[in-house]
Amino acid sequence: DSGVTQTPKHLITATGQRVTLRCSPRSGDLSVYWYQQSLDQGLQFLIQYYNGEERAKGNILERFSAQQFPDLHSELNLSSLELGDSALYFCASSPRRAGVRDTQYFGPGTRLTVL
Amino acid sequence: EDQVTQSPEALRLQEGESSSLNCSYTVSGLRGLFWYRQDPGKGPEFLFTLYSAGEEKEKERLKATLTKKESFLHITAPKPEDSATYLCAGNSGGSNYKLTFGKGTLLTVNP
Repeated sequence: DSGVTQTPKHLITATGQRVTLRCSPRSGDLSVYWYQQSLDQGLQFLIQYYNGEERAKGNILERFSAQQFPDLHSELNLSSLELGDSALYFCASSPRRAGVRDTQYFGPGTRLTVL
Repeated sequence: EDQVTQSPEALRLQEGESSSLNCSYTVSGLRGLFWYRQDPGKGPEFLFTLYSAGEEKEKERLKATLTKKESFLHITAPKPEDSATYLCAGNSGGSNYKLTFGKGTLLTVNP
């Protein structure tokens, strides 16, 4: 158990809908990262937050957004969902912003299925 | 653009048959090379971080090594419970702290 929690575990929804995925980082960790894992693309970095502020962006679509709250939990919002958004979404956390020597610890993931 | 390539894509071993997994990287200013283990439907589980060429780390039957262009994960006398996908990732540091992942090696160890 990494100490990172994610809810829900599974989510099934329809095209065009909007969903929110939630992540609680390990106790004391200030950085949260979101990743998408699909069969053909592997694990792709989406976005990073540090202590409430956005710090880095990866291959995140404009239909997706995220935020980190004062209690350090984070939410990833996915809107106007398409079939291709079906994937595993992982949250990871690490202690510090600079993080080059910090390990990212991953949560159990949310499996999103768009029908 | 940062790239991490893992080989082979899949590897089948008999219990006790040692082998190595390869991770080659093109990450500008590599600041860390990470190995994770992932079981089906679960989150990646941290194994090792390597920071400089020549560094080695060990954990039970696993040993990770790093050169200037690649990393190896050596598995000695594997057991069926070592079956998983092994992921390698590079961190280029700087202003972007993302991990760039390879697609992984699916390891199956038969009893």
